[in-house]
Amino acid sequence: DAKTTQPTSMDCAEGRAANLPCNHSTISGNEYVYWYRQIHSQGPQYIIHGLKNNETNEMASLIITEDRKSSTLILPHATLRDTAVYYCIVNTRGANSKLTFGKGITLSVRP
Amino acid sequence: GAVVSQHPSWVICKSGTSVKIECRSLDFQATTMFWYRQFPKQSLMLMATSNEGSKATYEQGVEKDKFLINHASLTLSTLTVTSAHPEDSSFYICSAGRDTQYFGPGTRLTVL
Repeated sequence: DAKTTQPTSMDCAEGRAANLPCNHSTISGNEYVYWYRQIHSQGPQYIIHGLKNNETNEMASLIITEDRKSSTLILPHATLRDTAVYYCIVNTRGANSKLTFGKGITLSVRP
Repeated sequence: GAVVSQHPSWVICKSGTSVKIECRSLDFQATTMFWYRQFPKQSLMLMATSNEGSKATYEQGVEKDKFLINHASLTLSTLTVTSAHPEDSSFYICSAGRDTQYFGPGTRLTVL
């Protein structure tokens, strides 16, 4: 599986957009970009995934560069409950796809 | 999205005893489930792949005789920590999914 690199931490003000970057320069053509987050003492929560097109759902938007070597997760209006560790993972899709977690980025949303 | 549950959410046991953790897929059938372990301030580490009707596949360094996995039905996988010791205290998490992996809420194991 391709590796990803993320900043260690970042913070943003409540109500503002949080833009979380991720580099995945060795991503393969059949690998998707997945984002999960983990709030303290809970299991990871799926946020969004994409292959090459930008994606949006009720939680976030995912912007993938044209060369697919990097992506940005956007939380449009961050709230205090969005404080968590966010993991960017590249992986093939399917029931047998095991995920490799890096250290993720710790997002702190301040009042 | 798919729903994955775990039971119990937390357990405290004495050293030397065995503990069973259940992982269920509530609204879909899962021929494959994954078990992870997470120590404080660390990321999730994959322990093993649970395969319905066949033996589990363990990651390097994970003792298969200590962490017994049974995937007897398409909606249930169990992880049994045998002869638990304090160093086995950790947060155990399972995942399953048809295309996207969804995670259970985790089980906090404390071995005294």
